[in-house]
Amino acid sequence: AQTVTQSQPEMSVQEAETVTLSCTYDTSENNYYLFWYKQPPSRQMILVIRQEAYKQQNATENRFSVNFQKAAKSFSLKISDSQLGDTAMYFCAFQVLMDSNYQLIWGAGTKLIIKP
Amino acid sequence: KAGVTQTPRYLIKTRGQQVTLSCSPISGHRSVSWYQQTPGQGLQFLFEYFSETQRNKGNFPGRFSGRQFSNSRSEMNVSTLELGDSALYLCASSLSLAAGTQYFGPGTRLTVL
Repeated sequence: AQTVTQSQPEMSVQEAETVTLSCTYDTSENNYYLFWYKQPPSRQMILVIRQEAYKQQNATENRFSVNFQKAAKSFSLKISDSQLGDTAMYFCAFQVLMDSNYQLIWGAGTKLIIKP
Repeated sequence: KAGVTQTPRYLIKTRGQQVTLSCSPISGHRSVSWYQQTPGQGLQFLFEYFSETQRNKGNFPGRFSGRQFSNSRSEMNVSTLELGDSALYLCASSLSLAAGTQYFGPGTRLTVL
């Protein structure tokens, strides 16, 4: 079964600190996409970062970067110089082709609180 | 380019009623997916439409249905509402089924009394 596990239900850090959110997944497929989405209290889900499984280089997007370990099936998100606006639910997801359809599998989310 | 829009934003219904939610994707996007989000269950996939055809369906009862129009706008319908249907319903659009990145709307908050 394809699954995504986010082992940290909630985390809190001080503003300007660096925080890492963990995500592990399970799939027997070799080609897939990995995502981190952010859902602030306003509820609009926003794409944070995306990684293609065939790329060895870790994706980065300004203060957001990932540590993609394909063999370990791990896809953690690092937020540097955290800001109050980073407070949100963070969801890890991966998309894979299964039974001729693309499936997007979601983790349960990590609630991140940035404290002033 | 305008984002994904969903109407209405909030809805209150009573048990047994039916409801229709609407989603307008980003211009040019042909794939629309629907999700149910609840505090206890997280994000649950309902179904996905592409070019007016349902391409994928999650594990929900037949009370949940949807459709997509030729302009890619999509509606989902829930009949015979139950208390457990109270949730945030999210719509997401993408260029194609294989595009990967989905862009989400603000959601419709459904409360069933």
